[in-house]
Parts: sequence; C-alpha cells; structure tokens
Amino acid sequence: DSGVTQTPKHLITATGQRVTLRCSPRSGDLSVYWYQQSLDQGLQFLIQYYNGEERAKGNILERFSAQQFPDLHSELNLSSLELGDSALYFCASGGADTQYFGPGTRLTVL
Amino acid sequence: QKEVEQDPGPLSVPEGAIVSLNCTYSNSAFQYFMWYRQYSRKGPELLMYTYSSGNKEDGRFTAQVDKSSKYISLFIRDSQPSDSATYLCAILTDSWGKLQFGAGTQVVVTP
Repeated sequence: DSGVTQTPKHLITATGQRVTLRCSPRSGDLSVYWYQQSLDQGLQFLIQYYNGEERAKGNILERFSAQQFPDLHSELNLSSLELGDSALYFCASGGADTQYFGPGTRLTVL
Repeated sequence: QKEVEQDPGPLSVPEGAIVSLNCTYSNSAFQYFMWYRQYSRKGPELLMYTYSSGNKEDGRFTAQVDKSSKYISLFIRDSQPSDSATYLCAILTDSWGKLQFGAGTQVVVTP
C-alpha cells in the first residue's frame, strides 16, 4: 500500500459526459502528479500540483483540468468525454524522483 | 523519436534465472532514472531510483546507468514467480517531477 488513495476505483460513463476523479496524497506530501495509462499511449504524465499550485504540465487535453485543495487532496476533471479517454488514471505523490502511485481509477467511456 | 524506448516483451524466464531489462533514452541531460513494477490492474510501484551513472543494488535487484551509451538496465537475480509483472523504466525530465515512462516490459517467471 503506497499510502495514496484514489476514488472511485471504477467509472463507467457515456460520451459527452463529465467526471471527477479524486486523489489523496500520502501524509506529508505536498506534490500530486496525475498520469493516464492507455494501451496505445502507455503511461503519460498529465499535470503536477505542489501545495495548491500548478507546477508542470504534460500532454493534458484542454477538456481536462485539475486542482489541488488546501487539504492537499486533488481532483482531475474530465469533460466532453470521448471513447478514447477510456484509460486508467493514476495519481502519485512524493518527491520528483520518488513518486508513489495510487491504485488508479479505471474510466470506461461508452 | 521517443524520449525513452523499452522493448515491451513479453520476456519469459524459468524460476531462478536472472532477468535482464533495459531502456534507452535520447537526452544526455537526464540525470534521474527509476524502475517501477506494475502488477496487472494495479498502480506502479517504485522499485529503485538512481542518479547519474553507476550501479545500485537492493536485495535481488540491481539498477545500472550507462550515461555514455544512454542505456539503463535492471537485473533481477534468483527470479521468482511473484516477480511476474510489467517493469517500467522512467526518467525524470524536469525538476518538478515530470516522468517519461518506457512502454514497459512484461516479465513472466515460470515455476
């Protein structure tokens, strides 16, 4: 158990809908990182927050957004969902070179 | 050209054998390298991280970095069926924590 929690474990939704994924980092960690894992693209960095501020951005679509709250939990919002957004979404916390991943949220868009 | 290249396998070995995994990367400026293990439908688990060149050992696992060749390796000694998983190399590409992952190599250790 990495100490990083993610909810929900599974999400099934329809195209065009909006969903919110939630992540709680390990106790004491200020950074949260979001990743997407799909069969064709592999594990890809989306975005990072540090103590409430966005610090790094990767291949995140404009339809996706994230935020980190004062209690350090983070949410990833995915809107106007498409079939191709079906994937595993992970968050991680920790230092830049020692990131600990949560169990992931499996998103299925029908 | 991808920043990190990794053969997806699968790599099948008998129990007790040495598993040898490797990745190549494109940017010689990269300094921090990691190996993650991912069991099916689980989150990646950090196995080892190394800085710059050289070897690092942790139990049955050894990580090597050859910066001159831009090549990183992971060796698993005395492999066990419980080592069957996908192994991903990762490289830290900026100071904030953007990791670039390889495709992952699926390893199967047969009893």
